[in-house]
Amino acid sequence: DTAVSQTPKYLVTQMGNDKSIKCEQNLGHDTMYWYKQDSKKFLKIMFSYNNKELIINETVPNRFSPKSPDKAHLNLHINSLELGDSAVYFCASSARGGPLEQYFGPGTRLTVT
Amino acid sequence: GNSVTQMEGPVTLSEEAFLTINCTYTATGYPSLFWYVQYPGEGLQLLLKATKADDKGSNKGFEATYRKETTSFHLEKGSVQVSDSAVYFCALSEKAAGNKLTFGGGTRVLVKP
Repeated sequence: DTAVSQTPKYLVTQMGNDKSIKCEQNLGHDTMYWYKQDSKKFLKIMFSYNNKELIINETVPNRFSPKSPDKAHLNLHINSLELGDSAVYFCASSARGGPLEQYFGPGTRLTVT
Repeated sequence: GNSVTQMEGPVTLSEEAFLTINCTYTATGYPSLFWYVQYPGEGLQLLLKATKADDKGSNKGFEATYRKETTSFHLEKGSVQVSDSAVYFCALSEKAAGNKLTFGGGTRVLVKP
């Protein structure tokens, strides 16, 4: 019944590793997003996909690569992890048209040691 | 570009006190405005929204009015409960900006019994 789900919930890894975070939504939405929340709780958009097509790519290092196999999934792959990548990553989705509120997943807390 | 400024916390209140969290925005066009709430250890939940000037969003006793003349969307609740302790985020989205959410820095609210 979870609308937007993410896995894993916690991820602890070492610098230099490559990791992926998965996101799935069962709301039938066309648009999905990735946000990063830093240690001070500041939230910033990273990427947005509409129907599997990239529409927003903020100034994110190219070590971050989103992949959308279908419109219900948006995964985030991170290469060569750095200490500064430690944060909570939130996936969200929204429908096209309407008031465009976004529905968020529970977040993935990434800790790079 | 777009930006959202909200009062810094933490805001500490006693139960049944009146809560106001100020939020002002800068936008190039005509944005939709939102308040999201993040309870400890959880993701973001939409609290309320407003899509045009003078609209009032309301939910769970919280209210906010879209004031175009003052570019503000202040959040209020007349009588807070301990369960309202959370971080509150003001945000805007614009269709021209790909509907991404631009967030304020968040305001932590702590309600004491």
